[in-house]
Amino acid sequence: GQNIDQPTEMTATEGAIVQINCTYQTSGFNGLFWYQQHAGEAPTFLSYNVLDGLEEKGRFSSFLSRSKGYSYLLLKELQMKDSASYLCAVRVGNAGNMLTFGGGTRLMVKP
Amino acid sequence: DAGVTQSPTHLIKTRGQQVTLRCSPKSGHDTVSWYQQALGQGPQFIFQYYEEEERQRGNFPDRFSGHQFPNYSSELNVNALLLGDSALYLCASSFWRGTEAFFGQGTRLTVV
Repeated sequence: GQNIDQPTEMTATEGAIVQINCTYQTSGFNGLFWYQQHAGEAPTFLSYNVLDGLEEKGRFSSFLSRSKGYSYLLLKELQMKDSASYLCAVRVGNAGNMLTFGGGTRLMVKP
Repeated sequence: DAGVTQSPTHLIKTRGQQVTLRCSPKSGHDTVSWYQQALGQGPQFIFQYYEEEERQRGNFPDRFSGHQFPNYSSELNVNALLLGDSALYLCASSFWRGTEAFFGQGTRLTVV
């Protein structure tokens, strides 16, 4: 089966840096996604990692270690609008985009 | 270019009733996946359609069924509704061999 763990809640200060961790145990791993979801809205794509290492995209970076079953999402220069849930999802198989999600991390950014 | 669109946005049904939710994928996408998201939790995979066939299915009972049409749009049907079926139902579209899935805004189903 699949098992994906991430912290339930985190709090950080505007302008700071926050790291959201995700650990996974899965068979047929074929990539890890991070999505952002504001309350009542659809998840929006943030990043995709399939090889080990760091992917940087503006204020957001994502890291993957396949041997450790570990990923993190790094958010820099936090803004109030970054308050949202962050979903870690693992893709299995090489077709079809079936995603297994963690429970999500609710991030609260305070002034 | 319209993204993924779902209808209706909100729906209230009574226990035991049946419901149909609809999804139009992003232009050009051929694969539609459905997810159930309970309040405060991550989305759970229900099933996926490609070439009008169910290709993969998550751990959901047979009360949950679906369909994909030749234009790639899809329906999710839930029979004999239970209170526990109350959730946000998300549709995601992608290319069958693509890597990125785009989500619709969801249908909020409340069962009373």
